Amino acid sequence: AQSVSQHNHHVILSEAASLELGCNYSYGGTVNLFWYVQYPGQHLQLLLKYFSGDPLVKGIKGFEAEFIKSKFSFNLRKPSVQWSDTAEYFCAVTPVRGGGNKLTFGTGTQLKVEL
Amino acid sequence: DTEVTQTPKHLVMGMTNKKSLKCEQHMGHRAMYWYKQKAKKPPELMFVYSYEKLSINESVPSRFSPECPNSSLLNLHLHALQPEDSALYLCASSQGRDSTDTQYFGPGTRLTVL
Repeated sequence: AQSVSQHNHHVILSEAASLELGCNYSYGGTVNLFWYVQYPGQHLQLLLKYFSGDPLVKGIKGFEAEFIKSKFSFNLRKPSVQWSDTAEYFCAVTPVRGGGNKLTFGTGTQLKVEL
Repeated sequence: DTEVTQTPKHLVMGMTNKKSLKCEQHMGHRAMYWYKQKAKKPPELMFVYSYEKLSINESVPSRFSPECPNSSLLNLHLHALQPEDSALYLCASSQGRDSTDTQYFGPGTRLTVL
């Protein structure tokens, strides 16, 4: 079975600081990778996803993530965060074969951006 | 329209009650999901319906009974729940093509079992 690790549980940044959130996965086969975000009081929504091609993917609101296969990692980055980026961020995976559409989430990272 | 709606928003029930959670989408999606999310934890998959057939049951206790009456609706019937079942129950839907599908989540039903 697949598993996902997010090592940063709580991150506090000042506005305009750069962001990098770590995500590592464990699975014996190929996976698709996702970052979801949950803003306060709102539902989970997709930031970006990777399933093939260029390992650097761009998502909404200036976020990007890089898939490094050798490191089983899919870290999320943003060059300059805003107060409105305060949210919980979840990395997630689905197996390409044999897992249906079973989305497995990491434990999440709570990001707080201070003015 | 990329909206998944869930009713009710909040539900309080006793351990002997029977209640149902409802989920609806009008995006033409053919896969629908139930997740359970405890406080400060990630969502955990419970059930997946693909083309109105149950395709994944993550060993969920039988006091939770899913139903997919048609491609737009998903219900979760609750009976004889325990206080530890209190959580946010999330519904999601996706196109149903393959594992690269984006899942669209509803706002959830916050369930409290007394």
